Amino acid sequence: SYVLTQPPSVSVALGEAARITCGGYNIGSKNVHWYQQKPGQAPVLVMYSDNNRPSGIPERFSGSNSGNTATLTINRVEAGDEADFYCQVWDNDSDRVFGGGTKLTVL
Amino acid sequence: EVQLVESGGGLVKPGGSLRLSCAGSGFAFSDFSMSWVRQAPGKGLEWVAFISASQYSIYYADSVKGRFTISRDNAKNSLYLQMNSLRVEDTAVYYCARDIPAVLTYYMDVWGKGTTVTVSS
Repeated sequence: SYVLTQPPSVSVALGEAARITCGGYNIGSKNVHWYQQKPGQAPVLVMYSDNNRPSGIPERFSGSNSGNTATLTINRVEAGDEADFYCQVWDNDSDRVFGGGTKLTVL
Repeated sequence: EVQLVESGGGLVKPGGSLRLSCAGSGFAFSDFSMSWVRQAPGKGLEWVAFISASQYSIYYADSVKGRFTISRDNAKNSLYLQMNSLRVEDTAVYYCARDIPAVLTYYMDVWGKGTTVTVSS
């Protein structure tokens, strides 16, 4: 089965850039999607197909994907960005696969 | 406003059954594929099941195959998840989500708020 690996936590100072990674074998050949989940709330799609922002998601959010790592970058981090972030891919054998999630803490 | 609202969660004993529902509104429900995704307490997201708009394609995660059944009633704008032979490890918040096909992939663009299922004796 296809496995996605995320760091359990990432900390960033207010106003700096946060980078959340998602590792997987040859993930660069797949399309990666990202979800943000704030405490007690449902997930929200913040990036689809590597680097496409849904309507309403700030331009501060961007995505990249190459080799064995996909990255979600949040520029000029705000206190309201603090949340859990999950990457997700579709795999022909494993179907819809989520990473284990990364807790973003804003210092 | 595009909205998904789940219902039907509750407390059930191991081996028991439960049927979850998800009502869609604000969009052409019959045109979209749907998925169920769950989240155990303090854990990450786990995809559970998928059903295409026409119900022609249905897929399940290995962890629920043979025990759970996904279905839909497009006339009622509703999605269902019949859960049988429930186990303690099925305890989770269950979300329904609109499932979008893209080039060589699928993602979920709209999510409900979830309904809680607790399996305990």
